[in-house]
Amino acid sequence: QSVLTQPPSVSGAPGQRVTISCTGTSSNIGAGFDVHWYQQLPGTAPKLLIFGSTNRPSGVPDRFSGSKSGTSASLAITGLQTEDEAEYYCQSFDSSLSVPNFVFGSGTKVTVL
Amino acid sequence: QVHLVESGGGVVQPGRSLRLSCAASGFTFNSHGMHWVRQTPGKGLEWVAVVWHDGSNKYYADSVKGRFTISRDNSKNTLYLQMNNLRAEDTAVYFCAKGNLGHHFDYWGQGTLVTVSS
Repeated sequence: QSVLTQPPSVSGAPGQRVTISCTGTSSNIGAGFDVHWYQQLPGTAPKLLIFGSTNRPSGVPDRFSGSKSGTSASLAITGLQTEDEAEYYCQSFDSSLSVPNFVFGSGTKVTVL
Repeated sequence: QVHLVESGGGVVQPGRSLRLSCAASGFTFNSHGMHWVRQTPGKGLEWVAVVWHDGSNKYYADSVKGRFTISRDNSKNTLYLQMNNLRAEDTAVYFCAKGNLGHHFDYWGQGTLVTVSS
């Protein structure tokens, strides 16, 4: 059972816009901790897509954008492309324990129709 | 460029031990915290452990606490994960990941598969 909740799947046609939600609680996203997003193509390692809730690492297309509000965050992909078909995970930091705890979402499969 | 290469995975019987290694290059290894993250086949990601840049602090997920030990050798730019008393539920691909002050993982290795089975 993942600490952060994501929809299992989303889909869209090429060129469309899709969004993926990530819902947390008052001990992680709601406590003000940033949300980060990773893209995992089939058979590969996760790759950092968005950090600090809204920032893109160098080389990540500006079609990808992130936002955060309250206990939730979202990843938006505009101008969907076939190469965007992958699994996407959100991640944050959780303060419910007395020690560091890094938590992930359950993952969302993006399908390009 | 940053390069992380894991090794040491394999098939092991329940109750036995295994040590994973992660060779790092392309960045100042002794300036960054390092993590292990695992992914169960067909399932999601689970953070396993972190070690501070200088090895002074180590923290673990509850699921591995007392059985796994994370360590690093900054002279060799290498991260380790000693896994003892392995269980079937530890079967996963284990990734090493470079930590960032923003509590995220900015680079990942390709992963090494650990299978715990009799």
